[in-house]
Formats: sequence, C-alpha cells, structure tokens
Amino acid sequence: GENVGLHLPTLSVQEGDNSIINCAYSNSASDYFIWYKQESGKGPQFIIDIRSNMDKRQGQRVTVLLNKTVKHLSLQIAATQPGDSAVYFCAEKPVGYSTLTFGKGTMLLVSP
Amino acid sequence: DTGVSQDPRHKITKRGQNVTFRCDPISEHNRLYWYRQTLGQGPEFLTYFQNEAQLEKSRLLSDRFSAERPKGSFSTLEIQRTEQGDSAMYLCASSWGGRYSSYEQYFGPGTRLTVT
Repeated sequence: GENVGLHLPTLSVQEGDNSIINCAYSNSASDYFIWYKQESGKGPQFIIDIRSNMDKRQGQRVTVLLNKTVKHLSLQIAATQPGDSAVYFCAEKPVGYSTLTFGKGTMLLVSP
Repeated sequence: DTGVSQDPRHKITKRGQNVTFRCDPISEHNRLYWYRQTLGQGPEFLTYFQNEAQLEKSRLLSDRFSAERPKGSFSTLEIQRTEQGDSAMYLCASSWGGRYSSYEQYFGPGTRLTVT
C-alpha cells in the first residue's frame, strides 16, 4: 500500500547492477517459500517460489537461494532496472498449513 | 481483467461504525485468503477459505471481525464497531489448492481502511 516502505531496510543500487535481497525466516518446519514485490498502492505481486527440497531456483532475471541450515533465503535480481524499485517480501509456509507468514520487507531503490 | 478484485479500494469510516469489504478471487481458484497490512509491515494472515469452508482463523481476528464465502466464490470481510487500530490495508488473495497446488497466492489491490 502507500508508504509501505516506512522504516524498512533499504537497498539502493544503480541501474544495471545485480541486487541481492536477504531474508531470515523463522520456522525450521516451513516447506515452501515465496518472494513478492509490492509497489506503492498495489497488492503484492508474485516473483518466484521455492520448495524446501531445493536450494536454488531460477526465473527470468531472478534467482532464489535457500539455505535451510541457517534459515536464510535470498533473492537475486540481475541487471536491476528502475521498474524493479519496490518493497520485497519473503514469505514462508509451515508444513501442514496453506497460509503464508510474511517477513518485514526490504525496499529496493534503483537509480537510473 | 481476470485478477483478484477488491471493493471498495478506499473506505473512510467513523469509529464505532461497521464496514464490509468484498473480494472476488480468480474464478478457478478454490482458496481465498484475507490479510491485513499496516505501514512498514508485511501482510498478516487473518483467515482462509477453501471453497465455502473457513478453515483457518488467526488469533488476530477478534470477534468484531467476520468473514464469509457463502457460495465458494466471492468473499466478504466485515468489521463491526470499528476502532482506530483497525486502520490498515486489507488484502485478499486467492490460489488453487489441489493435489498439485503450488501455494502461490495472487493478491488483489487491497482496500485501504481509515477509521477516524
């Protein structure tokens, strides 16, 4: 929504750089993870997901890495563009449930 | 547009009034979720339906909140006796839940509630 980036960690990059956004998740029993992008005034938009039986998954310009040992998830965006500027949330799904628990979010600012 | 839609987009109400929001999910999706999002925070789960059955409710969902999905299609979220702390963005999401479900949820644009 509006001003969703208040008080959020911020990553500032130049256009064309690669970006890495990190997320520490809380539940070692989570079996599914997902990254969302949220632009101001809009609902979250799906980027990429990964199941716990994988440690890497690639999409178009994006890669998600999962390290279950340290409960860490990262989103890599290649050749970042100004249109990538948004707040990025990771979310986890505990095994046996269908609902998502969202992290706090990181604001990505891309300068032309 | 075949995405998730929500109505209204914005609602301003006075404390103590009741409000109702509507969500229309993607038509082939059988699962529907409600979330609340406040400034600077990620969405917080409120409740979830599979078809018309309400399967999970968060502890955040006080007894002033009620949600329905009577025919397994659209859903309504009602807040009775609104309080200023209810001011937030209310997000609806839908997904396909079945044998090969991906748990990927598609979100609507949200309803921004302001309680004065």
